[in-house]
Amino acid sequence: AQRVTQPEKLLSVFKGAPVELKCNYSYSGSPELFWYVQYSRQRLQLLLRHISRESIKGFTADLNKGETSFHLKKPFAQEEDSAMYYCALMGGATNKLIFGTGTLLAVQP
Amino acid sequence: DVKVTQSSRYLVKRTGEKVFLECVQDMDHENMFWYRQDPGLGLRLIYFSYDVKMKEKGDIPEGYSVSREKKERFSLILESASTNQTSMYLCASRDGYEQYFGPGTRLTVT
Repeated sequence: AQRVTQPEKLLSVFKGAPVELKCNYSYSGSPELFWYVQYSRQRLQLLLRHISRESIKGFTADLNKGETSFHLKKPFAQEEDSAMYYCALMGGATNKLIFGTGTLLAVQP
Repeated sequence: DVKVTQSSRYLVKRTGEKVFLECVQDMDHENMFWYRQDPGLGLRLIYFSYDVKMKEKGDIPEGYSVSREKKERFSLILESASTNQTSMYLCASRDGYEQYFGPGTRLTVT
């Protein structure tokens, strides 16, 4: 079964500290993985996609097929990074996007 | 710039009422989706559509139906609203790999 697991509901860090938002997935083939972000009072939007291998707003995510993980990282958190982050997987015949339960990142001043 | 709009930001309905949530996208996307977003449960797919008049059940279709008569419009229908359908409802459209979300409709069923 396809599944995305985000083990942390809330992650609280201080400004300038490193951030790692965990994401593990279950999928038998080669998935496409994404991170979506929702800032307060804004709509959900794509942050990054594993295939592009980009750094967006200082965030990176590496796909580790051996550990079936796609953790989101940033070396120095900023207050404006405070948001809800969702890891998502796309795969299968229908190409549905399957979301994890989300992690609320709170960056304290 | 892709725009996905939803008919209402906030809606309050009574138990047993029939509820219509409307979603419109302006980028000629073929794929459209309805999710509900609940704290601790993330986004759960209710229904999706790959083309006009086509619909597929998502993970939690019970109590819901959809309609797609035109490419740009995807409607979610609660046949008989119940209190456990109180939630944030998000519509999305997709072309390629990126999904574009609407602002959401917060529905309260009393």
